[in-house]
Amino acid sequence: AQSVTQLDSQVPVFEEAPVELRCNYSSSVSVYLFWYVQYPNQGLQLLLKYLSGSTLVKGINGFEAEFNKSQTSFHLRKPSVHISDTAEYFCAVSDGRSQGNLIFGKGTKLSVKP
Amino acid sequence: SQTIHQWPATLVQPVGSPLSLECTVEGTSNPNLYWYRQAAGRGLQLLFYSVGIGQISSEVPQNLSASRPQDRQFILSSKKLLLSDSGFYLCAWGGRMNTEAFFGQGTRLTVV
Repeated sequence: AQSVTQLDSQVPVFEEAPVELRCNYSSSVSVYLFWYVQYPNQGLQLLLKYLSGSTLVKGINGFEAEFNKSQTSFHLRKPSVHISDTAEYFCAVSDGRSQGNLIFGKGTKLSVKP
Repeated sequence: SQTIHQWPATLVQPVGSPLSLECTVEGTSNPNLYWYRQAAGRGLQLLFYSVGIGQISSEVPQNLSASRPQDRQFILSSKKLLLSDSGFYLCAWGGRMNTEAFFGQGTRLTVV
């Protein structure tokens, strides 16, 4: 079985500062990894995904994440955040089976302050 | 392109009343379909998923049920709502190999 741990429930940061949102996963098989963003009272939007290949994945809105198999991590980063990045961010994992589903972490609330 | 529609956006229902939330997907066929619930501070909880018409897997025993009467239609129901059913319900669809999931805009359900 897979699981996802998002190590920080809340991350406050000042505008234009860099940010890293941490995600660790556990799985006995190869996985696909995802980051989603949720703005208040909206659904989840896919930021980026890792399926295979290069371990550095670039997504929308200037975010990127790095897959580290040895550390079973998939941390999300942005070099300079904006007020508009204030949202909740979810890490998720899938084993790619057709009968399976995505397992989500509990989310990290990013609060960008002016 | 694919789109997912979920309605209503908000709903206030009294305890003991029935519930029906509907989700439809356009632009794809034979998708995996999911219902998630999001309660404050508890992340996303998978309630049901379906890999085909009439095929429903329940992840959490509860007061809710799901049905998939057509390939691209997924319905979440309850015969009698409880206060604890309040939350934000999200429908999602994914491809057969779960390379990603696409979410609807959600329904905010308040049981009073």
